[in-house]
Amino acid sequence: DTGVSQDPRHKITKRGQNVTFRCDPISEHNRLYWYRQTLGQGPEFLTYFQNEAQLEKSRLLSDRFSAERPKGSFSTLEIQRTEQGDSAMYLCASSPTQAWGVNTEAFFGQGTRLTVV
Amino acid sequence: GESVGLHLPTLSVQEGDNSIINCAYSNSASDYFIWYKQESGKGPQFIIDIRSNMDKRQGQRVTVLLNKTVKHLSLQIAATQPGDSAVYFCAENNYGQNFVFGPGTRLSVLP
Repeated sequence: DTGVSQDPRHKITKRGQNVTFRCDPISEHNRLYWYRQTLGQGPEFLTYFQNEAQLEKSRLLSDRFSAERPKGSFSTLEIQRTEQGDSAMYLCASSPTQAWGVNTEAFFGQGTRLTVV
Repeated sequence: GESVGLHLPTLSVQEGDNSIINCAYSNSASDYFIWYKQESGKGPQFIIDIRSNMDKRQGQRVTVLLNKTVKHLSLQIAATQPGDSAVYFCAENNYGQNFVFGPGTRLSVLP
């Protein structure tokens, strides 16, 4: 296992279209995070899962965004009716956090760069 | 809401010198911190972490210092090399919740 894998690396879509991104975490990592990053800014938290349970969603996450992690392994992030403001790098990270309240290191993938035209 | 910030947006150092990148955090309840390095077009790369029960941790050429009294975190890079040029982020975590990132500091290594 070479790390967190994200697919696709780049996506160009027309405004109004739906897009879906995939994240494969490091094997056996039970915590999975989604972040969004725009140019010149730090990553902004979107949501995270502990195994298959989605534990927290940011207020930034509008109703057009949905994330799933059905079997507690890979995760998908879908954006419906994309807008130009959705253009950003979408980052996934995984962590071997074993239990609530126990912090461990989080490793990021290379991200999916979304451009909405 | 709680946030993590950085004192300096850019830092230029001569190759071979030591670099110090600073970070101020506002959530006194944060108990875990990570420094990340991000190169252009890539995801953040884990450098080093520290828990709130420590005030110093060393890695290979890097040292992280934590001062909980003033809520300050720093990353020291020894003998800075051209390959260290990147944007550096600190991130804080509060008991297993999400990580909060600051805006980052760009480190430029001059030949």
